[in-house]
Amino acid sequence: DAKTTQPPSMDCAEGRAANLPCNHSTISGNEYVYWYRQIHSQGPQYIIHGLKNNETNEMASLIITEDRKSSTLILPHATLRDTAVYYCIVRARNSGGYQKVTFGIGTKLQVIP
Amino acid sequence: ETGVTQTPRHLVMGMTNKKSLKCEQHLGHNAMYWYKQSAKKPLELMFVYSLEERVENNSVPSRFSPECPNSSHLFLHLHTLQPEDSALYLCASSQDGLAGGLRELFFGEGSRLTVL
Repeated sequence: DAKTTQPPSMDCAEGRAANLPCNHSTISGNEYVYWYRQIHSQGPQYIIHGLKNNETNEMASLIITEDRKSSTLILPHATLRDTAVYYCIVRARNSGGYQKVTFGIGTKLQVIP
Repeated sequence: ETGVTQTPRHLVMGMTNKKSLKCEQHLGHNAMYWYKQSAKKPLELMFVYSLEERVENNSVPSRFSPECPNSSHLFLHLHTLQPEDSALYLCASSQDGLAGGLRELFFGEGSRLTVL
């Protein structure tokens, strides 16, 4: 799997958009970008994933650059409940019947009232 | 509610005790995972079961013994643990297969283990 680089921490004002960057300059053509988040002392939660097109769901938007070497997770209106550690993961399509997902340090997002 | 339930949520045990952590998934998934998360460290993958067969064992000490009796249940048997084994133990499941593509992991709330 390609390596990812994220800032260790970020702050965001409540109600504003939170933009979380991720660099994955060694990404391969068949690798997807996945985002999870982990609220304190809970299990990680899947947010969104994409290959090359921008994606949006009820939780967030994912913007992937044209060269696919970086991406940004956007929480359009951050709330205090969005305070969490956000993980950017790059994974190839499953070929072995199970997954071996490696989580890094992630970005600790603090939403400020 | 993620569909993955872990019990107990909190466990305190002595180094000579034997205990077990339980995970149950109600999602019909065919793969289950144990992760360990120590304080201020990334999640570490411990074991993976696919179709009830152990397919990954990431150099985990033998004092941790996993068991997967069926596709819905996963156990982590603990014995003769050390204080440094104190951590949050997370169970996850996914639906995988050659034709299924890449699917997300669904995690439980975790079992907080303290070894005295």
